[in-house]
Amino acid sequence: QKEVEQDPGPLSVPEGAIVSLNCTYSNSAFQYFMWYRQYSRKGPELLMYTYSSGNKEDGRFTAQVDKSSKYISLFIRDSQPSDSATYLCAMGVSASGSARQLTFGSGTQLTVLP
Amino acid sequence: DSGVTQTPKHLITATGQRVTLRCSPRSGDLSVYWYQQSLDQGLQFLIQYYNGEERAKGNILERFSAQQFPDLHSELNLSSLELGDSALYFCASSGLQGGNTIYFGEGSWLTVV
Repeated sequence: QKEVEQDPGPLSVPEGAIVSLNCTYSNSAFQYFMWYRQYSRKGPELLMYTYSSGNKEDGRFTAQVDKSSKYISLFIRDSQPSDSATYLCAMGVSASGSARQLTFGSGTQLTVLP
Repeated sequence: DSGVTQTPKHLITATGQRVTLRCSPRSGDLSVYWYQQSLDQGLQFLIQYYNGEERAKGNILERFSAQQFPDLHSELNLSSLELGDSALYFCASSGLQGGNTIYFGEGSWLTVV
């Protein structure tokens, strides 16, 4: 079993829809959680970062973390065609010193249709 | 633009050869990470350096090695290349001021033929 499982998609929605992207994890040591957006053959771009259970909002994006259920979500409101990309969840253990490697989900490919 | 610079962007080489990928971290970042992304494996952590010292090791093959230099740039050396090494190789960096935030470069696309 992978440490991080992510709905593989692909996911196709009409413009303006609310998108829900999800990941589950098995490692209780994960303390901080990120969502990255990756356009085709480009570097992952950090969207959201949180380390506590609950919701964090940034514009049209809301990250939700439920540590008790080991479940994280990213919601995109009023989705736009420019949101079409692969979304990767990532998690890390807040190790002492400077070790901060991330474990990634496999990514969900999202297409927003105009 | 994340501020992380990688060269070359694209590279085609033959099996058995050796290549070097270069990374300049964001200004002030002391940590450099290398990740490999292939179609079937997703984004896999290879290795992390912090201020010139190896700090964490992931799924890095023995044929691969990396180092971080005094000016903080890093190189990933891939030797005895095989067809299966074809992938996107990403460098990322983070700094203490940035907390746990890790920023990625645009990647080096390696094709082994």
